[in-house]
Amino acid sequence: GQQLNQSPQSMFIQEGEDVSMNCTSSSIFNTWLWYKQDPGEGPVLLIALYKAGELTSNGRLTAQFGITRKDSFLNISASIPSDVGIYFCAGQLSGSRLTFGEGTQLTVNP
Amino acid sequence: GAGVSQSPSNKVTEKGKDVELRCDPISGHTALYWYRQSLGQGLEFLIYFQGNSAPDKSGLPSDRFSAERTGGSVSTLTIQRTQQEDSAVYLCASSFRTSGGETQYFGPGTRLLVL
Repeated sequence: GQQLNQSPQSMFIQEGEDVSMNCTSSSIFNTWLWYKQDPGEGPVLLIALYKAGELTSNGRLTAQFGITRKDSFLNISASIPSDVGIYFCAGQLSGSRLTFGEGTQLTVNP
Repeated sequence: GAGVSQSPSNKVTEKGKDVELRCDPISGHTALYWYRQSLGQGLEFLIYFQGNSAPDKSGLPSDRFSAERTGGSVSTLTIQRTQQEDSAVYLCASSFRTSGGETQYFGPGTRLLVL
């Protein structure tokens, strides 16, 4: 079955630094999504990408849908303490289940 | 507007008992998904509903797991004869389709602990 490799597993950064994380897949997806999950909560959608090559920003977040449709990255600029949490990538074929990466645990030191 | 809601938020049960988990999707969302998240892990797909039918139930781990959806809205996930390995967070998501694509929105989850 499809598998997503998400890296890094964890990151420890200083407030104000930029962050980059990525996901690669063994097969193609039609949609890439990035979610953030806080402790005790469900994942919250950050950015959705629907076209290969698409680059989308949401405030300090920027994500890209790889041209091969097998990868995506998420950048966070000028990190702040509330960016702490677990970030998940997810790939989807049309109208189907999401396949999730294993998450990147982000810690921001003030 | 209201998001996806799930109940109960927490459930502790004894091994061998049956449990029912409920999901109320966002109004108007036709698709509904159940996922399971074990401690420190990513989300694992269980079952997908389009309306009241389940075109993909391939993620259900055993025949002790079943789910139904009525009226194209509320869904219940039932786990019979619970085992300790069923302990996890069970997450529900609903989605709608736009011209750009489909986006799934998640509920807060039900934390199940089987003793």
